[in-house]
Amino acid sequence: KNEVEQSPQNLTAQEGEFITINCSYSVGISALHWLQQHPGGGIVSLFMLSSGKKKHGRLIATINIQEKHSSLHITASHPRDSAVYICAVRAGLRDDKIIFGKGTRLHILP
Amino acid sequence: DTEVTQTPKHLVMGMTNKKSLKCEQHMGHRAMYWYKQKAKKPPELMFVYSYEKLSINESVPSRFSPECPNSSLLNLHLHALQPEDSALYLCASSQVPGYGYTFGSGTRLTVV
Repeated sequence: KNEVEQSPQNLTAQEGEFITINCSYSVGISALHWLQQHPGGGIVSLFMLSSGKKKHGRLIATINIQEKHSSLHITASHPRDSAVYICAVRAGLRDDKIIFGKGTRLHILP
Repeated sequence: DTEVTQTPKHLVMGMTNKKSLKCEQHMGHRAMYWYKQKAKKPPELMFVYSYEKLSINESVPSRFSPECPNSSLLNLHLHALQPEDSALYLCASSQVPGYGYTFGSGTRLTVV
């Protein structure tokens, strides 16, 4: 079992839909990252969370430390949101290393 | 400046060539990382430099040789690569090890 699991693996939705991507982890962490990667491109860091909730524009990220679970929400989705969204955790004992989930491939149809 | 800049963006090299990838940041970050990413897979950590010293080498073959000449610059020297080394090579930096990552846009390497 992977230490960081994401669901769904693939998601296709219509423009305007509310999107939720989930991340569960099995290790103790000191921080959780949500990352975005467009096809063939580099990675953009969206959020870093250690507790609670963060919002940036149409993106909202939440984390529940007790349940070892985080969600990334996209409101009013747009085709330009199409990308791979990656959950990554900073494991508490290895500050230099982060563990990546396999990513969720999101495709928003116009 | 809030970016990690990687050059070149694309590189095609033969198996007998020697080439280098370059990564630069001017955010005062003290940790820098090299990752390798194959298609549709998450990034895999290769090396970590912490305060300009190599702190992690994830059992990477010696045909990949990292170098950190100063706190702003990270190089990856390539020699005698194999076609299976073709991948996207990502550089990242963080303020201190493990905290607040910024990623570069990557170098897409093709070994022929």
